[in-house]
Amino acid sequence: AQSVAQPEDQVNVAEGNPLTVKCTYSVSGNPYLFWYVQYPNRGLQFLLKYITGDNLVKGSYGFEAEFNKSQTSFHLKKPSALVSDSALYFCAVSPPGGSARQLTFGSGTQLTVLP
Amino acid sequence: GAVVSQHPSRVICKSGTSVKIECRSLDFQATTMFWYRQFPKQSLMLMATSNEGSKATYEQGVEKDKFLINHASLTLSTLTVTSAHPEDSSFYICSARVGGGAPGEQYFGPGTRLTVT
Repeated sequence: AQSVAQPEDQVNVAEGNPLTVKCTYSVSGNPYLFWYVQYPNRGLQFLLKYITGDNLVKGSYGFEAEFNKSQTSFHLKKPSALVSDSALYFCAVSPPGGSARQLTFGSGTQLTVLP
Repeated sequence: GAVVSQHPSRVICKSGTSVKIECRSLDFQATTMFWYRQFPKQSLMLMATSNEGSKATYEQGVEKDKFLINHASLTLSTLTVTSAHPEDSSFYICSARVGGGAPGEQYFGPGTRLTVT
């Protein structure tokens, strides 16, 4: 069975500082990995995905994530945080060739960027 | 980009009544849509997979007779919460796959906040 872990419920960072939101996964084979962001009372917005290729993936709003196969991690990063980045972030995984039904979400990390 | 809408965004109903939530793909056709439930400060839990023209596939523990799903067209899926009770109060989110997208790549609606009094 596949699983996703987001070890931090809450991450606080000062505006302008770099931010990292952690994600580790467990799945057979090479996974498909995703990051989504959710603003209050809103649905999820797609940020970026890793399918294959370059381990560093760039996504929306200046976010990027690095796929590390040996550490089974897919941490989300941004060089300089904005107050508007404050939101709930979800990592998700699906096995290669798996149906969309097999998308598994992490528990979410609340990011707060302090002015 | 692919846009998914939900209606209503917020609904309050009395215990024992039924509520219908609509999920529409606005600029693409979705043969498959998904319904999730999210409790406060928790992750999304997949409830069911909605397939156009066929019966929905429910996840274990989800009551089929309570959460009725109909996927009548390639752009519309509905979730009806029947005989709602306060414990059904939650945030319901639908999503849809874009044809040709990577497995797991989904576009999400803005969600519907259901409150049962």
